[in-house]
Amino acid sequence: GAGVSQSPSNKVTEKGKDVELRCDPISGHTALYWYRQSLGQGLEFLIYFQGNSAPDKSGLPSDRFSAERTGGSVSTLTIQRTQQEDSAVYLCASSLGPPKNTEAFFGQGTRLTVV
Amino acid sequence: DAKTTQPTSMDCAEGRAANLPCNHSTISGNEYVYWYRQIHSQGPQYIIHGLKNNETNEMASLIITEDRKSSTLILPHATLRDTAVYYCIVISLGRGVGNWGLIFGQGTELSVKP
Repeated sequence: GAGVSQSPSNKVTEKGKDVELRCDPISGHTALYWYRQSLGQGLEFLIYFQGNSAPDKSGLPSDRFSAERTGGSVSTLTIQRTQQEDSAVYLCASSLGPPKNTEAFFGQGTRLTVV
Repeated sequence: DAKTTQPTSMDCAEGRAANLPCNHSTISGNEYVYWYRQIHSQGPQYIIHGLKNNETNEMASLIITEDRKSSTLILPHATLRDTAVYYCIVISLGRGVGNWGLIFGQGTELSVKP
């Protein structure tokens, strides 16, 4: 597609269940970012991929959160044993990455609700 | 990475220029200034970026001071649809391995009023 695609757009899950969020970046973009945005809050950086590797995992809130990227393309963010405080919009972005250092394009996000 | 400081909120009358300031006093020579905005319920959107020269595109103008310690984003004729949170971010070029620095602060909440 022409833009960054995220799926599902909405996800309601029960506390304690695992969820997988998917991000399809723009073709050719080597850099991929995940962010979390709780209601009324700012953008919280979670993780960054350059190709398939994640040089910076410092933003992952806990060991229940993990992410992978395969083939330098699709990325999945997995949250295990979801908690109510995990409820938020999860945003993915991609860009050409360093050294081109161009603009990042964002998807529309996945709204996760843990009940 | 250099940190940025922005006012929490600003108002602007529709049709007037909106001037959004950003301080980045610890910016280093290879760091760019990027601006993004986030309209309510949407993902962030790139606006403009620059290194040391002033830049203009179809959305906005970016004025960077000669010492590069601050910049101003200018929306020349603000409309109601420009109401959003505006983020000023400083990013290093070509860092390769490591955090590429696309970290968002709290931004400035711009309200364009009729």
